[in-house]
Amino acid sequence: GQQVMQIPQYQHVQEGEDFTTYCNSSTTLSNIQWYKQRPGGHPVFLIQLVKSGEVKKQKRLTFQFGEAKKNSSLHITATQTTDVGTYFCAGPLEGGNKLTFGTGTQLKVEL
Amino acid sequence: GAGVSQSPSNKVTEKGKDVELRCDPISGHTALYWYRQSLGQGLEFLIYFQGNSAPDKSGLPSDRFSAERTGGSVSTLTIQRTQQEDSAVYLCASSLVTGSNQPQHFGDGTRLSIL
Repeated sequence: GQQVMQIPQYQHVQEGEDFTTYCNSSTTLSNIQWYKQRPGGHPVFLIQLVKSGEVKKQKRLTFQFGEAKKNSSLHITATQTTDVGTYFCAGPLEGGNKLTFGTGTQLKVEL
Repeated sequence: GAGVSQSPSNKVTEKGKDVELRCDPISGHTALYWYRQSLGQGLEFLIYFQGNSAPDKSGLPSDRFSAERTGGSVSTLTIQRTQQEDSAVYLCASSLVTGSNQPQHFGDGTRLSIL
């Protein structure tokens, strides 16, 4: 069925290392959103990408939307312990007004 | 309040009992969503209220699950005859207007445990 997959499922890094999570959709998306969920917390909206090939930056975070609008990535430069959490992408997979959330990538950062 | 408020924060109940979970969205937000998240898993869409239109109930896993949104504000998710597999965190989110391009603002969730 239609779905949004993320890889990797888990990632352990040393503080200061870079991190990337990839999001792949089975269908073309009109837009894609990224959320972060800290351990024990709720998802918090980070950013939305709309245009093919779009790249947006938030400090150490770089978000990219693929040319075909079927994939996206989130790259964190020089991770910090505050980056710990699970990162979800989400898109309107079935059209309409609801979002389908990706499977998530859990990031752990060790000192 | 400033954010989405959910109650109770925790609920422990016996198998077979009915439970009601409440969500108070951000004031003025017209769209309201319910999700279910099992431990260490992603978000499973349950139901979506979109202003005055009919709700999208396509994610409800069985007829034991129902939800309503009265007066376009507060929403209640009801699970009848609870089963152990219903144990999860139930998250509510709201957005200012309807549309898949709208950021969703989540509450802290209700952690439901079925004994």
